[in-house]
Amino acid sequence: AQSVAQPEDQVNVAEGNPLTVKCTYSVSGNPYLFWYVQYPNRGLQFLLKYITGDNLVKGSYGFEAEFNKSQTSFHLKKPSALVSDSALYFCAVRDRGQGNAGKSTFGDGTTLTVKP
Amino acid sequence: DTAVSQTPKYLVTQMGNDKSIKCEQNLGHDTMYWYKQDSKKFLKIMFSYNNKELIINETVPNRFSPKSPDKAHLNLHINSLELGDSAVYFCASADATGELFFGEGSRLTVL
Repeated sequence: AQSVAQPEDQVNVAEGNPLTVKCTYSVSGNPYLFWYVQYPNRGLQFLLKYITGDNLVKGSYGFEAEFNKSQTSFHLKKPSALVSDSALYFCAVRDRGQGNAGKSTFGDGTTLTVKP
Repeated sequence: DTAVSQTPKYLVTQMGNDKSIKCEQNLGHDTMYWYKQDSKKFLKIMFSYNNKELIINETVPNRFSPKSPDKAHLNLHINSLELGDSAVYFCASADATGELFFGEGSRLTVL
């Protein structure tokens, strides 16, 4: 079984400040890890992923995330938040070993609000 | 050119009716999914297909019947709609790493 925990329902930051959205995961094999963003009344959009290699992954819109195997975490970060970053963020995990039979399991989502 | 497109975007219907949602992807992916997003925004996988073959059926009531006529299309038919079926249904396709490409969603409201 695999699972994802996003411990914060809501994260509030001021524009220009750094932001962190937390994610921890559980998977029996080696993970693929993903972050997606959802704006109101839209589908989810891919931000970044960890597949293998460098633990620090850089993605769209200046976001990055660090894979920490010992802490089973994949926190999303951005050095300087923008009001336009306000959205719902989902972390997801997939077991690398499952191939085409695999599925991504999503966390419950974290609403990020960036205030001017 | 939309990568994953699903229609209709909105459905409003009465309990007991049957409805279908269609999905098409032009990314050449072998794997497609249906996800359900409830009123609390939680996302749950319903089905996955790989090259027209059902791979995952995540304990969904058998009133829900997916059909994949070819690997670019995955449709969802729902019989005897219930109030609890009201949700946003997302179609997605996946590349080899499992990165998902989502459609814009189909909002189903059952009255």
